[in-house]
Order: sequence, then C-alpha cells, then structure tokens
Amino acid sequence: AQKVTQAQTEISVVEKEDVTLDCVYETRDTTYYLFWYKQPPSGELVFLIRRNSFDEQNEISGRYSWNFQKSTSSFNFTITASQVVDSAVYFCALSASNTGNQFYFGTGTSLTVIP
Amino acid sequence: DVKVTQSSRYLVKRTGEKVFLECVQDMDHENMFWYRQDPGLGLRLIYFSYDVKMKEKGDIPEGYSVSREKKERFSLILESASTNQTSMYLCASSDQGAKGYIQYFGAGTRLSVL
Repeated sequence: AQKVTQAQTEISVVEKEDVTLDCVYETRDTTYYLFWYKQPPSGELVFLIRRNSFDEQNEISGRYSWNFQKSTSSFNFTITASQVVDSAVYFCALSASNTGNQFYFGTGTSLTVIP
Repeated sequence: DVKVTQSSRYLVKRTGEKVFLECVQDMDHENMFWYRQDPGLGLRLIYFSYDVKMKEKGDIPEGYSVSREKKERFSLILESASTNQTSMYLCASSDQGAKGYIQYFGAGTRLSVL
C-alpha cells in the first residue's frame, strides 16, 4: 500500500525565518516518484517539484530546497527566508510504478508567514 | 502553459439534484482525474480516465459517476446530491507514458449541497 504522512498540520513563522515541511512516505515499490505542490488561497494546486526514487540528490531552486532520504523514507521541503507569499497549504504526494499515474497525497501542511 | 479549466468556482445545489462538474484541459493529455478535498483528509481520488470513454474508480467513487466523451473534457456527475458531498472538487490532467508524470490542476469547484 502507498501512504504519505505530513505530520505537521499547521505551521506559523515570522517572515525571513527558515521553515521545513516534513513528508514521510510508505511504498513497497522500488520505482516511484515524489512530488510537492503548493495550494495558495486561490485554490489551484501548483506543481513545485518531482523526484524519482533513483535520484537522491538534493535540489535547490531559489529559496526552496528539497531533501530526499530513502533511508528514512522522507522527502522534506525547506523554505529559506520565508515571505508572506509563501503562505499556502503544501502537499506532498507519491506515485508508484504499480499504480500507474495515481497519486497518493498527504493531508497537507498549512503554512502561515507572519509579516 | 498547461491550462485546466473547471466550469464553476462555486456551486450551490439542493439535496437530490443532479449535479455536473465540468473540466477541460488544453494540452492533449491522455489522463484526467477528479479529486475531492476536505479539511484534514487531503485530496482523495474519486475517478480517473486514461483515455476517451475509459474510466477507473478511485478511492471514493460511491455516489459519483464520470463521463469522458472527448479527450479534453472530463465530467463528474453527482446523480443525487447529498449534504455529505459538500466539498472542494479538483480536476487534474497528465500525460500518458512514463509513470509519475506531473498532474496539472484546475482552480477547483467549491460545491455546497443544502
């Protein structure tokens, strides 16, 4: 079975602080993909990153960085120097090879950045 | 840019009504999906489709049906709306081919059933 856990329901930080959003996944497949999406108040989920199971390199994109560790089944997301525009709900998702294109989403983490 | 358009942002319906939620994508994607989003539960898959006239049940198909007569359009149907179907509904599309392709989402339809 596939499962994604985002234990942090809500996080509040003050602007310019760094914040890490946790994502832990479960799968028995050796080939899978992990994703992060951002859902701002407007409602539309915006794709941020995709990582496949064979690539454990960390990735940095501007103020965003992702840490993928297969040993702990985690795919954590860090925002450096947070801004008010980062306030949103963030979802982690898993897609495994034996379930085709089906995604399994975590329950989301609501991030509020206080000015 | 990929564009997934949901026909309504907000809908208010009465119990027992038949409800149609429409979704159109403009990127010639083979796969389309319907999710519902509820607080504390994340996104749950209702139905998906790999091709025209094909459909597959997701995790929570009860009380819903779908229609895909054209590649770009995927409709979610509530045959007889009930109050427990009050929710945010999200449509998504993705390419066929290599598994793990990115899903692109519409802005969502917030449905209230009174």
